[in-house]
Amino acid sequence: EAGVAQSPRYKIIEKRQSVAFWCNPISGHATLYWYQQILGQGPKLLIQFQNNGVVDDSQLPKDRFSAERLKGVDSTLKIQPAKLEDSAVYLCASSPPGYEQYFGPGTRLTVT
Amino acid sequence: KQEVTQIPAALSVPEGENLVLNCSFTDSAIYNLQWFRQDPGKGLTSLLLIQSSQREQTSGRLNASLDKSSGRSTLYIAASQPGDSATYLCAVRRGAGNMLTFGGGTRLMVKP
Repeated sequence: EAGVAQSPRYKIIEKRQSVAFWCNPISGHATLYWYQQILGQGPKLLIQFQNNGVVDDSQLPKDRFSAERLKGVDSTLKIQPAKLEDSAVYLCASSPPGYEQYFGPGTRLTVT
Repeated sequence: KQEVTQIPAALSVPEGENLVLNCSFTDSAIYNLQWFRQDPGKGLTSLLLIQSSQREQTSGRLNASLDKSSGRSTLYIAASQPGDSATYLCAVRRGAGNMLTFGGGTRLMVKP
């Protein structure tokens, strides 16, 4: 069974630029999560989708972050404009509803 | 608001030693608790998942316990090996469809 795929794996941008990350969940997993992990900290949830609907986006900085999950499969997370404090690893996870989450390898973002 | 704390933040032990990692959470109304391993530059690998009705789970040299009433979990690693070197994260889930709330992790180094 293929795991959660994410791209790119690494990205370096200057502040005020925009960036987008892509996630392809495990086939058949209805629930998709985006987490932000700042160096030395545990992951923090940004947004949770159930199929193509948003379940929880209470910790998403909506003035600069946006996410979508078209057709309830792949998802993209966008940051525009980026700030220095957005430097982190962005993790995507998926699960069947109510079950264990499986994580992708993450995208490491560096904002200079 | 649920808060998860892991102590110690970093631990260095000689190979072969048995060790215990600690996790505490402030809200005992949890659905389950999960321990993850994270290698540098990689995503999260699930190690053990304990449902709220369970007291412990075992997998190989790993044993995780849960005391929901006191808000504590421990991860016991027997006969540690250099390959166990990684960051260990615990996370709790409030409900079946809810997000994971993570601790800050314990960075473990096992020296040959």
